[in-house]
Amino acid sequence: DQQVKQNSPSLSVQEGRISILNCDYTNSMFDYFLWYKKYPAEGPTFLISISSIKDKNEDGRFTVFLNKSAKHLSLHIVPSQPGDSAVYFCAASAQGGADGLTFGKGTHLIIQP
Amino acid sequence: GAVVSQHPSWVICKSGTSVKIECRSLDFQATTMFWYRQFPKQSLMLMATSNEGSKATYEQGVEKDKFLINHASLTLSTLTVTSAHPEDSSFYICSARRGLAGYTFGSGTRLTVV
Repeated sequence: DQQVKQNSPSLSVQEGRISILNCDYTNSMFDYFLWYKKYPAEGPTFLISISSIKDKNEDGRFTVFLNKSAKHLSLHIVPSQPGDSAVYFCAASAQGGADGLTFGKGTHLIIQP
Repeated sequence: GAVVSQHPSWVICKSGTSVKIECRSLDFQATTMFWYRQFPKQSLMLMATSNEGSKATYEQGVEKDKFLINHASLTLSTLTVTSAHPEDSSFYICSARRGLAGYTFGSGTRLTVV
């Protein structure tokens, strides 16, 4: 049973526009959430994280929003750039990040010129 | 920043042999490391948590006798796939935790068992 779900396998966005990647979770024990970017045959690269005590965290072009009541988080990338094309994984952890991560299946983001 | 080195990046082995994958934290000490496996077009699945100086904790469904984990120092964890079979072919990734919730991933190891 998937505890972290990314329901969009792929997303195509025009360069310069906003990319919004969504993630839902079912485990109410999760209290720390992360987004990773990944290329084939490489390890994930950390992008941004958010603790459950917050509802928004921003870092440059990346903003993560957390809606605890809906068990939903989203990653906003604005403006989208060609180099953003990759697979994005949502991940969650319990105990403030002390546990290993539970990953979603990923969303393949394609930025079109 | 925190760097995690994983070696080898790819390996091909014969069915029935064992393969060792190393994960090193280069510029920090990691009391806890994690091992993940990713099948094509699937999510990364946590296999086990490696704790320095103690036994690893395995996730449900992961055979501890098949996937041997050793975390003998604060900078090195190894995963040995014993008696490998073609169904063990996968992408294995390690992660080290630096401080609370600071995860850094290795570059992964592509294992192909023929």
